[in-house]
Amino acid sequence: QQQVKQSPQSLIVQKGGISIINCAYENTAFDYFPWYQQFPGKGPALLIAIRPDVSEKKEGRFTISFNKSAKQFSLHIMDSQPGDSATYFCAASLTGNQFYFGTGTSLTVIP
Amino acid sequence: GAGVSQSPSNKVTEKGKDVELRCDPISGHTALYWYRQSLGQGLEFLIYFQGNSAPDKSGLPSDRFSAERTGGSVSTLTIQRTQQEDSAVYLCASSLAGTGNQPQHFGDGTRLSIL
Repeated sequence: QQQVKQSPQSLIVQKGGISIINCAYENTAFDYFPWYQQFPGKGPALLIAIRPDVSEKKEGRFTISFNKSAKQFSLHIMDSQPGDSATYFCAASLTGNQFYFGTGTSLTVIP
Repeated sequence: GAGVSQSPSNKVTEKGKDVELRCDPISGHTALYWYRQSLGQGLEFLIYFQGNSAPDKSGLPSDRFSAERTGGSVSTLTIQRTQQEDSAVYLCASSLAGTGNQPQHFGDGTRLSIL
């Protein structure tokens, strides 16, 4: 059973536009929701993370929106830039160490 | 500062051979994780270490896979009698402590190709 479902699989956005990636989770006991950014040939790097006691977290152009009742969270990239072109993974974790990752979204920002 | 280091970065081997993949975590990080990433896929959890012990081996796909960690630092992932379906990028991550609120720091992975 897929613990974390991510969509879309791929996304093409014009420079300056807003990129939105969505994730849904099953286990209401998850207590940490990070987003990772991965460039080709590199390992994933933590981008931003949220805990379920807040509904939104913003860091620069990146915002996580969290809907606990719907068991959904999303990443918004404002003013998308070509340098944001990468694969993005959402994840969810139980205190206790195992992380469940989404299947990834390949983002392409067109100049 | 030094990040998570993995070696080799690439490994090509023949089907049936054994391979060893190495991970050097960030100094002081007690938790260490191994994942497998197949082409265009997400991250598949393999095993987690807290110190030298492995409380969660649930993700190891078969008994051909094993991992150890010595001295609470370096870890090796061993795949015996490799099969073509083992071809993937193997990623290692470490974190300060094994709690869900500590971010994982990833290495750049070992790209394993089985001929």
